[in-house]
Amino acid sequence: DTGVSQDPRHKITKRGQNVTFRCDPISEHNRLYWYRQTLGQGPEFLTYFQNEAQLEKSRLLSDRFSAERPKGSFSTLEIQRTEQGDSAMYLCASSRQPGTSGGTSTDTQYFGPGTRLTVL
Amino acid sequence: AQRVTQPEKLLSVFKGAPVELKCNYSYSGSPELFWYVQYSRQRLQLLLRHISRESIKGFTADLNKGETSFHLKKPFAQEEDSAMYYCATRWGSQGNLIFGKGTKLSVKP
Repeated sequence: DTGVSQDPRHKITKRGQNVTFRCDPISEHNRLYWYRQTLGQGPEFLTYFQNEAQLEKSRLLSDRFSAERPKGSFSTLEIQRTEQGDSAMYLCASSRQPGTSGGTSTDTQYFGPGTRLTVL
Repeated sequence: AQRVTQPEKLLSVFKGAPVELKCNYSYSGSPELFWYVQYSRQRLQLLLRHISRESIKGFTADLNKGETSFHLKKPFAQEEDSAMYYCATRWGSQGNLIFGKGTKLSVKP
């Protein structure tokens, strides 16, 4: 499978613990996005990277959240001192930068299966 | 702030009936509009986008700037169309998508 992959698929943790999720994008994609989805809601944007640079962060991304993409390939999302309100599905997506060869459809965002976080 | 509204949480139709999933967006400049679909136990995937003007799996969506709407339509629903449908928008060079809350389509036999 050459699509976006995420690990782990499920994570159960106790309040106050730190957790880290990993996302592996499609290999030729230089943009990588993190979203969070809670029950009954659509995905909400958290942050995105172009190559290794973090270009935008949502106000939803509190100081307990940090994301990295050190070599412009895989990315990690860490949540420190987890709270019950952090329980959600964390989605990763990747795309090419708009305007690169292949036409407008090349910037389609392809989503991973998500990591479901449960904070007890 | 940019916003996408999907007024229906659940839409239930019989097989062969027409279906319309509503989507309205808050206007600011020239938005890009998308419909994403999530079938049971599958990942979110792009169904169609307004700039490509394609018909995918029999679905079409027309951008109506006057009504700021991007409703998804299909003349004859099939059982395999049952899924969650999300309308999304992206403004200008912003990379991120802004999603609606989604509409669950249930097509009964």
